[in-house]
Formats: sequence, C-alpha cells, structure tokens
Amino acid sequence: DTAVSQTPKYLVTQMGNDKSIKCEQNLGHDTMYWYKQDSKKFLKIMFSYNNKELIINETVPNRFSPKSPDKAHLNLHINSLELGDSAVYFCASSHRLDEQFFGPGTRLTVL
Amino acid sequence: DAKTTQPPSMDCAEGRAANLPCNHSTISGNEYVYWYRQIHSQGPQYIIHGLKNNETNEMASLIITEDRKSSTLILPHATLRDTAVYYCIVRPPISSGSARQLTFGSGTQLTVLP
Repeated sequence: DTAVSQTPKYLVTQMGNDKSIKCEQNLGHDTMYWYKQDSKKFLKIMFSYNNKELIINETVPNRFSPKSPDKAHLNLHINSLELGDSAVYFCASSHRLDEQFFGPGTRLTVL
Repeated sequence: DAKTTQPPSMDCAEGRAANLPCNHSTISGNEYVYWYRQIHSQGPQYIIHGLKNNETNEMASLIITEDRKSSTLILPHATLRDTAVYYCIVRPPISSGSARQLTFGSGTQLTVLP
C-alpha cells in the first residue's frame, strides 16, 4: 500500500507551459506539504497546508499554487514554467506536527 | 530557527555501528531534534526525534548531550541499505507558526562499505 503517492513520476515540458503535479495520501493525515529539491540537492519547503491554514514559504513565486480538493489530496499547479523550475518536487503528509511521510518525488524538467 | 552543522560525508563498515554527529549549538529549550534520511532517488524518510532524553526505536538511537548543543544518531548495525544522506533538523517550537516547516540542511552522506 502506497502511503503518499505522486503523479507523474517524470514531467518534461516547455518553458511557458502550465502544469500540475498530483499528490495523494491514504494515511488519514490532516496536513500536507510540498518541497522542492534542486540540482544541488537542497530540499526546501514550499507550502504546508491543512484544512485551516496555508503557510507559504516567502521565497516561492506566486506562479506556484497548491490546491486541495479534499483532505487526502494536495496538488501543485505551476504557471508559466521557467528553466529554474526544473527540480524534483516532493509531497509529504503528517498528522498534526508528527513526523512527515514523503512521496517518491516528481522530476520536472523544463526545456 | 536554530541551524545545524553536520560533516559532509562519512564511511562505515557493514555490520558496524554508524555514529552520525550533529551540532546545534543555538538550539532553544523547546526545539526538537529530528533526523531524516534520503536514500538515492527516493523521498526523505523519518528516523527518530527527541527533545532532551536519549531515544531509541527500531531504526536507530538518538543521543542528545546534556546541554543539548549536539546530538548523535546511531545506527547500531549498519547495512548497505543504510547508505543515504542523513539530515539533522532542529524543528521550531510547536507554538511557532513555522513548526510544520522542516528546514533541511546539506546533511551527511553516509556510505556503508561491504
């Protein structure tokens, strides 16, 4: 059973396009997250979200937006993709402030 | 947020204990120490966390010094599958608005050698 899943695993697209990455968790957690890992392997929080509060890392461009259709899903929408958006994106979830469970990652390549 | 310092890399012989140090000299009294690891091409995996006392679970032990300025993650019998980047993270207090947001540093690349 996959706890936190992401689709697609790989995403290759052109600059200027709009794309989405989906995330689903079957752990019953109330909080979900998006992280970005760049080519230098630094892992940075982008968003944390539960049904009450969205916390946005101030360094995240407003071209990135999380959308949660329900408690088990937190999708990441990216508008007007840029070369610098190429990275691996990880979704995670947790019960309140307990340990976070991460998905397998989505490798985004912008050409 | 308190920062952490870890050696960039370490080697360990298979079957031996791996001791991974972390310095967090600016940690405050209500901040927890968390350890995660990331095996190549996978998402990070939670290992253990603690506040003041030493902690042990099925994966590892966490030793926190009395002054809380440093800690050591111990993998008692390292296997080849433990080869990964290990991250030591100081998490802001629960009362903080940023408590949910883990800040990952550069970590320690542990290589377990056969």
